[in-house]
Amino acid sequence: DAKTTQPPSMDCAEGRAANLPCNHSTISGNEYVYWYRQIHSQGPQYIIHGLKNNETNEMASLIITEDRKSSTLILPHATLRDTAVYYCIVRRSSGTYKYIFGTGTRLKVLA
Amino acid sequence: GAVVSQHPSRVICKSGTSVKIECRSLDFQATTMFWYRQFPKKSLMLMATSNEGSKATYEQGVEKDKFLINHASLTLSTLTVTSAHPEDSSFYICSALIHSGGNEQFFGPGTRLTVL
Repeated sequence: DAKTTQPPSMDCAEGRAANLPCNHSTISGNEYVYWYRQIHSQGPQYIIHGLKNNETNEMASLIITEDRKSSTLILPHATLRDTAVYYCIVRRSSGTYKYIFGTGTRLKVLA
Repeated sequence: GAVVSQHPSRVICKSGTSVKIECRSLDFQATTMFWYRQFPKKSLMLMATSNEGSKATYEQGVEKDKFLINHASLTLSTLTVTSAHPEDSSFYICSALIHSGGNEQFFGPGTRLTVL
């Protein structure tokens, strides 16, 4: 499965949009992009996933570039409770279904 | 969303004892579950894939005799850390796969194991 690269940390002001980038330049055609977040000492929480179209749900929006080599997770109005480590994972839609976690981005939302 | 539970949430044991951790899918059936471990300030590391009714598939470097996995039903997988030692102290997290849509995994809340 493709590797992902994320910045190690980011800060965001409360109430502003948080834009978290992920690079997955070696992604192949049948690989999806998944986003999870992990709040301290809890299990990861599913946020959103996509293949090539932009996706939106009640938590976030996922913007995938046309060449699919990078994506951005957008939290439209960040709150203090969004402080967490955010993981971008690329995985095939079939096969072993394994996730390989990278180091993620530690997002800190500031009051 | 789908709910996955783990029990216990926290366990402290003496060196040399065995500890069993349960992972349950509460509102769906899961033929495939996964076990991860996480050290402080590190990312999750996949240990093994647990398949209902068959042997688990372990990742390279994970001792199968040390970390016994049983997936006897469609809603329960167990991880037993045998003859635990202090270096096994870690945060153990399970997930369950939902076979639909994006085939995403849903994670349990984790189990903090401390071996004295």
